[in-house]
Amino acid sequence: KAGVTQTPRYLIKTRGQQVTLSCSPISGHRSVSWYQQTPGQGLQFLFEYFSETQRNKGNFPGRFSGRQFSNSRSEMNVSTLELGDSALYLCASSVRGHEKLFFGSGTQLSVL
Amino acid sequence: DQQVKQNSPSLSVQEGRISILNCDYTNSMFDYFLWYKKYPAEGPTFLISISSIKDKNEDGRFTVFLNKSAKHLSLHIVPSQPGDSAVYFCAASAYYGGSQGNLIFGKGTKLSVKP
Repeated sequence: KAGVTQTPRYLIKTRGQQVTLSCSPISGHRSVSWYQQTPGQGLQFLFEYFSETQRNKGNFPGRFSGRQFSNSRSEMNVSTLELGDSALYLCASSVRGHEKLFFGSGTQLSVL
Repeated sequence: DQQVKQNSPSLSVQEGRISILNCDYTNSMFDYFLWYKKYPAEGPTFLISISSIKDKNEDGRFTVFLNKSAKHLSLHIVPSQPGDSAVYFCAASAYYGGSQGNLIFGKGTKLSVKP
C-alpha cells in the first residue's frame, strides 16, 4: 500500500508570492490533515478535510487555505507569503479522522 | 497556551540503557495519546498510543505510561538502540461532537542513543 505522497519536496519562494502544496493520501483514507512544523515549535495544526469538507481549522491566518477533491487528494495554498511561513508542511491521512495519522515526508518551504 | 508540553528538548542515553521521554498536558478532556518518531527529512511515524481508560500500553521495546491525575505520560524505550535516535513527539486529542478532535503535538524531544 503506497504511503502519503506530498509534492513538491522542496520549494523556494519570495515574499508576496503564493504557493500550492499537494498531498495524496493513502488509498481508502478519507481524512487529510495539514500541519506546519517550524524549528522549536513542534507540529501546529492547520486544518483537516474529510469528504471534501473542512471539518476543523487551527489558529492560522486566512492566507492559509486548503481544499480536498473527490478522490481525497488535498491541496494547501498560502497566499502573500511571509518570511515566517518558511517551514516544513506535513500532510497526514487517516481513515476517518484524528485516530492514528499517517504522515507524508513533507514539503520544505523556504521564503526568501 | 501550550496544551501538550515536552519540557526536555533533548535527551542523551547510552546504548542498552533505558530512555524515558516525558510529556505533560493541561487539557483534562484529552482522552487519547500518541507518540510519534521523526527522523530528519522524513515525516513523523506512529510509534504507540494509549487511551485514557488504560494506564499502560506495551509494544516490544516501547511502553507508554499514563498518569491521568498528574496529567502526565511517558515513553520508555528498553533497551535503547542507536537507531532510536530521532525526535519524539507526544500528541493528544479529545473526543467531542461525535468524533476524535485534531491531534495537538508537543514540541518534541531529540533522543540521542550513543553506542
